[in-house]
Amino acid sequence: EDKVVQSPLSLVVHEGDTVTLNCSYEVTNFRSLLWYKQEKKAPTFLFMLTSSGIEKKSGRLSSILDKKELFSILNITATQTGDSAVYLCAVEETYGGSQGNLIFGKGTKLSVKP
Amino acid sequence: DTGVSQDPRHKITKRGQNVTFRCDPISEHNRLYWYRQTLGQGPEFLTYFQNEAQLEKSRLLSDRFSAERPKGSFSTLEIQRTEQGDSAMYLCASSLVLAGVLYEQYFGPGTRLTVT
Repeated sequence: EDKVVQSPLSLVVHEGDTVTLNCSYEVTNFRSLLWYKQEKKAPTFLFMLTSSGIEKKSGRLSSILDKKELFSILNITATQTGDSAVYLCAVEETYGGSQGNLIFGKGTKLSVKP
Repeated sequence: DTGVSQDPRHKITKRGQNVTFRCDPISEHNRLYWYRQTLGQGPEFLTYFQNEAQLEKSRLLSDRFSAERPKGSFSTLEIQRTEQGDSAMYLCASSLVLAGVLYEQYFGPGTRLTVT
């Protein structure tokens, strides 16, 4: 069964639109949730979230975590064609200590049209 | 460029051959991870090291796969008797663990393996 589920799987928007990407998870020993951006290469780190309700922001991107409802959202405002990529959500499990095993979702493919 | 490098970037091999990939992490990072990613899927965890010790291996890592990190710096991932199902992107990532705090993982560019 999928432990990390992202939605939508793909999204097409126009430049200037605002998008919200969703990530829900079901993990027993949650440690953190991470967002990555992946273009035609390896994932690039965006955010690490460990606490509920605290928004992390970087330019036009922001993210927040809800540990009670077990989900996170990634917002991108005023989208640009350079935002086109696959956005991956990953949840880090721990079994005591600091294990750091990441479980990834399948990603949301975002296409921003000019 | 995240500072994590992998070599080679691409590898084409015939079924049954052995292949070895190398990963050089960010120099001060003591954790090193290997992942495998196939088209349309997110990365799947394979194994990780803390310094030179291999602490965890996924069930995905069959007996044909072996990973080492002999001096706690670079790591190698070897696949013996390759099969077509091994075709994938192999990603390496590194991170720092300091005083029990685990910091974010940074990924290398990956090695794309094609088994013909």
